[in-house]
Amino acid sequence: GQQLNQSPQSMFIQEGEDVSMNCTSSSIFNTWLWYKQDPGEGPVLLIALYKAGELTSNGRLTAQFGITRKDSFLNISASIPSDVGIYFCAGQLRGNAGNMLTFGGGTRLMVKP
Amino acid sequence: EAQVTQNPRYLITVTGKKLTVTCSQNMNHEYMSWYRQDPGLGLRQIYYSMNVEVTDKGDVPEGYKVSRKEKRNFPLILESPSPNQTSLYFCASSSTTGVNTEAFFGQGTRLTVV
Repeated sequence: GQQLNQSPQSMFIQEGEDVSMNCTSSSIFNTWLWYKQDPGEGPVLLIALYKAGELTSNGRLTAQFGITRKDSFLNISASIPSDVGIYFCAGQLRGNAGNMLTFGGGTRLMVKP
Repeated sequence: EAQVTQNPRYLITVTGKKLTVTCSQNMNHEYMSWYRQDPGLGLRQIYYSMNVEVTDKGDVPEGYKVSRKEKRNFPLILESPSPNQTSLYFCASSSTTGVNTEAFFGQGTRLTVV
């Protein structure tokens, strides 16, 4: 199946810096989801976006559902060491085959204290 | 607490020995699915289920079976495991009837087939 274009693939930043990552697709989605995955663990939902143009925050995290429904970004402000992990975007299309998810390739975030 | 529970977390087995990975969710979700995660290949869907007794193939179904006899359980069955099925497996569930349809994932099962 297709994979979303997620960038950057990895980031190595200093603690306190802001982080921005994004996902783009050639197809439209009903929903955009952002997950964080720690090594050997399952993806944990960070933010869910349901409407085109929607901007949603969860603490230091902010995400937006692109107006074209083909893209989304995630920002993390004032990064801390526990932000380390892999961040995945996922586009969801509700249809005859249920809640199909298409994933981005992930952004590996490393934070230097 | 709303959760998806997989068992076991870790499993080492030999080629050809049938195994089952269990998945259970307590959120009354209709939709459940299995993914495998491999380096460089991301998360790929193996099978999914729209509801009880309704299952269908995902992107990489070969070598796997599933069943959905009850709404809360969705076991993954490897009838004759092979080394290329060594991977990290995730079960996920989501609602198809509500406004919120986000998927919740289990903690994963790391399977090694030798």
